[in-house]
Amino acid sequence: GQQLNQSPQSMFIQEGEDVSMNCTSSSIFNTWLWYKQDPGEGPVLLIALYKAGELTSNGRLTAQFGITRKDSFLNISASIPSDVGIYFCAGQPQDTGRRALTFGSGTRLQVQP
Amino acid sequence: DAGVIQSPRHEVTEMGQEVTLRCKLISGHNSLFWYRQTMMRGLELLIYFNNNVPIDDSGMPEDRFSAKMPNASFSTLKIQPSEPRDSAVYFCASSLARAGSLKQYFGPGTRLTVT
Repeated sequence: GQQLNQSPQSMFIQEGEDVSMNCTSSSIFNTWLWYKQDPGEGPVLLIALYKAGELTSNGRLTAQFGITRKDSFLNISASIPSDVGIYFCAGQPQDTGRRALTFGSGTRLQVQP
Repeated sequence: DAGVIQSPRHEVTEMGQEVTLRCKLISGHNSLFWYRQTMMRGLELLIYFNNNVPIDDSGMPEDRFSAKMPNASFSTLKIQPSEPRDSAVYFCASSLARAGSLKQYFGPGTRLTVT
């Protein structure tokens, strides 16, 4: 099946720092979504992207749909302790009509107060 | 509105026993997805339904797993007989199937431990 490479696998940063993570694929994707998962909870949808080049913000979070349609980026500005969690990218490959999403392996973020 | 509801939140059972996990979709949604999450394999799609019809069950591990949607808002995932390797967190996700929207909303999950 389709593979999404998400990086970095983990990050340990100081409160106040900006964070950047990305997701890449060898094939074209129609849609990119970013989720955050807190311990013991289900993933929560943060941002959805539908067009190549699209740049969307949600508070301190900004995500972009890469112009090649093979990648996406998530940036978090001025990180705070509650940003701790696992961030997943997900997408729908172009060559499938399925509504199912392919998920990346996640980026584990830790924020030092 | 209430989000996706899953029950139980935790289940501990012995190998060989039957396990039934339950999920209630967000009101008005018509697509349901069952996922399994483990440290080793991450989030795996097991099966998904659209308008109560199973569309893709290629992720169901084996015949021990079965899923149903007896009505438009409710689904069950059954494992019979359960095995220790089935231990994982099982999520269901709800979606409104319409053109251009693939947003899925996850429930809190059921943590299954099979001893």
